[in-house]
This record gives sequence, C-alpha cells and structure tokens, in this order.
Amino acid sequence: GESVGLHLPTLSVQEGDNSIINCAYSNSASDYFIWYKQESGKGPQFIIDIRSNMDKRQGQRVTVLLNKTVKHLSLQIAATQPGDSAVYFCAENRRTGRRALTFGSGTRLQVQP
Amino acid sequence: EAQVTQNPRYLITVTGKKLTVTCSQNMNHEYMSWYRQDPGLGLRQIYYSMNVEVTDKGDVPEGYKVSRKEKRNFPLILESPSPNQTSLYFCASSLSGGNTEAFFGQGTRLTVV
Repeated sequence: GESVGLHLPTLSVQEGDNSIINCAYSNSASDYFIWYKQESGKGPQFIIDIRSNMDKRQGQRVTVLLNKTVKHLSLQIAATQPGDSAVYFCAENRRTGRRALTFGSGTRLQVQP
Repeated sequence: EAQVTQNPRYLITVTGKKLTVTCSQNMNHEYMSWYRQDPGLGLRQIYYSMNVEVTDKGDVPEGYKVSRKEKRNFPLILESPSPNQTSLYFCASSLSGGNTEAFFGQGTRLTVV
C-alpha cells in the first residue's frame, strides 16, 4: 500500500556538519508536506513546510527540497548543533476526505560533539 | 501563547476502567485530531473532527471514542481500556486540516495493566 517512509532510521553527524534527512512518499496526489522535530518527552514541533507547486523552501538553517518526479522529500540542516538531536518526521497531505496528515515512522538524528 | 494542552501527561490504569484524556486548544482551530505513537509505527490518526459536532474515524479508531461539543475541546475516551492501548497519545489542532500546519500537545503516556 501507499506509505510515507524514511530511508534511514538513525543518522549520526558531527557537530557543525550539514545533515540531510530523506523521505520517500508514494502518493502523487499529495500537495503539502511538513517536517516535524520531536525531542524526547515532547510533542512534534513544526520545522518547515512546502507545497507541491514549489521545489525548495528555506528557513533558518533548514531547507526542504521536494522532487515530485521521484516522489522524494529531504530536510537539510546546516551547521548541525547538539540541540538538533531529535527524531524528525515527514508528513504529507494525501488530499483524502479526512484531510489528515500522514506521517512517516521517523529518523533519529544524533549529533556528536 | 498559542498552544494545545493535554491532560494528564502520564496515566497508569487497569484493564476495563474507563478513562478520558482531555485536549484543549486556544487558537480557534476548526480541525482537531488524536494520534497514537508507537515505536517504529510513527503517528497514526485515531479520530478527527472538522468542526463542532463533526467527528469521524481515523486509521485506528477501535476502542476509542471522541466528542466535540465545543470548538476548543476534543476529549479522547477509552470506555474499556486494554493493554494494547498502552501508547503515547497526542492531540493536534490545525486551521483546516491536512493542508495546514498541525500544532501538537505535549503528549499523554498511557499504560494499561
């Protein structure tokens, strides 16, 4: 069945390096995508979003890239800091009647000092 | 401060004892959801509500009930909890559903013994 998934369950990077977290989606009708960050003991926190009419969107230290041809979404974090250590989820709006976001299973980012 | 508030944060209960987890948002959002989060499965939608008195099933509704009598509140009810409902629960609200950012509560960790 269709699903939102992630290529790597755990990503370990050195402090100061750039991080790239990937997400594959399979519903070509999806028109809105979000990246969330979840720290231990907390609820998911919005990082950045992108609509399907865009290929790239930048925030503070973060960039989301959307490749609709291969149905791929990525989150780039520049100059990764210890405070970036968390689980990151991508979510998509599949444009169903439920108007629900569908979430991937998450990638844990570990930042090594 | 814009927020989604869940209570309680932690709950241990016994099988069959009815419980309610409350959720309140102060952003005048129309759309509210309940999710459960289990290891390796990401966030799965339990129930959602598009507006007052409008609720419907999500992906995993069995064993749960909800109500939406007021716009700000969306309680989750477990009439007869079972151990397989041990999980981390999140309430979320958004302006209009899947094509807008969802704001999450801090989570309720439920253990059913």
